[in-house]
Amino acid sequence: DVKVTQSSRYLVKRTGEKVFLECVQDMDHENMFWYRQDPGLGLRLIYFSYDVKMKEKGDIPEGYSVSREKKERFSLILESASTNQTSMYLCASSSLGTSTYEQYFGPGTRLTVT
Amino acid sequence: SQKIEQNSEALNIQEGKTATLTCNYTNYSPAYLQWYRQDPGRGPVFLLLIRENEKEKRKERLKVTFDTTLKQSLFHITASQPADSATYLCARTGAGSYQLTFGKGTKLSVIP
Repeated sequence: DVKVTQSSRYLVKRTGEKVFLECVQDMDHENMFWYRQDPGLGLRLIYFSYDVKMKEKGDIPEGYSVSREKKERFSLILESASTNQTSMYLCASSSLGTSTYEQYFGPGTRLTVT
Repeated sequence: SQKIEQNSEALNIQEGKTATLTCNYTNYSPAYLQWYRQDPGRGPVFLLLIRENEKEKRKERLKVTFDTTLKQSLFHITASQPADSATYLCARTGAGSYQLTFGKGTKLSVIP
C-alpha cells in the first residue's frame, strides 16, 4: 500500500515562529504536493515538486517555502507563521509512471497559529 | 482558468437508496476526472478515475459517468450505507499534467 506520512497530526505555534511540516512517502513517487484545506474553500495547492530539488508554485505560495532534498521527503516551511495560516495541511504524492496521476494523501496536519 | 464545481455542499439520503453526486467543469474537457473520499480529519482517498473518452466506469457499488457535452461527471453509490457518509471530492487533470484541481466537495450523509 502507498503510504504518505506527515510529521505531526496537530501543531500549535505562536505568531512569528518558523514552522516546519514534513512529509514522507514510501512509494518512490516522483511528484509531491502540499495543499491547505479550509472550510468553504476546499483544497488549494501551495507548492509541488516533480523531482529532487525542483519546486513549482501552486495557487497560494505566499508566506510558504518548500524543500525537497530527497525523493521521498518534501517539507513545507512557514517562515514566520501568521494567524491566517491556521489550517489543515495535506501532503500528497503521485507517480509519473501511471499517466493518470491519482494522488495519495497523508493524514494531514492541523496547524493552529495563536 | 480551469474550474471544477460541485454544486451541492451537502446531500442527505436514506440507507439503501442510490446517492448521486454532481461535478461540473468549465472550459475544455479534462483528460481525466477523479473522485476521492474524505473522512473528517483525514486526507482524501482516491476512489475512481474516468478518462474523457470513457462514458462510464464501475467499481463495486460505485459508478462514475462522464458527459463531455454537458461538461459533467456523475458519481453514484448504489445501495448506500451509513458507512458511505463522508465528503466526496472530484478533481480534474489535463493531458500531460500531473496537477489536480479539486472541487470543494459534497458532504454525503446516509441516514439509517
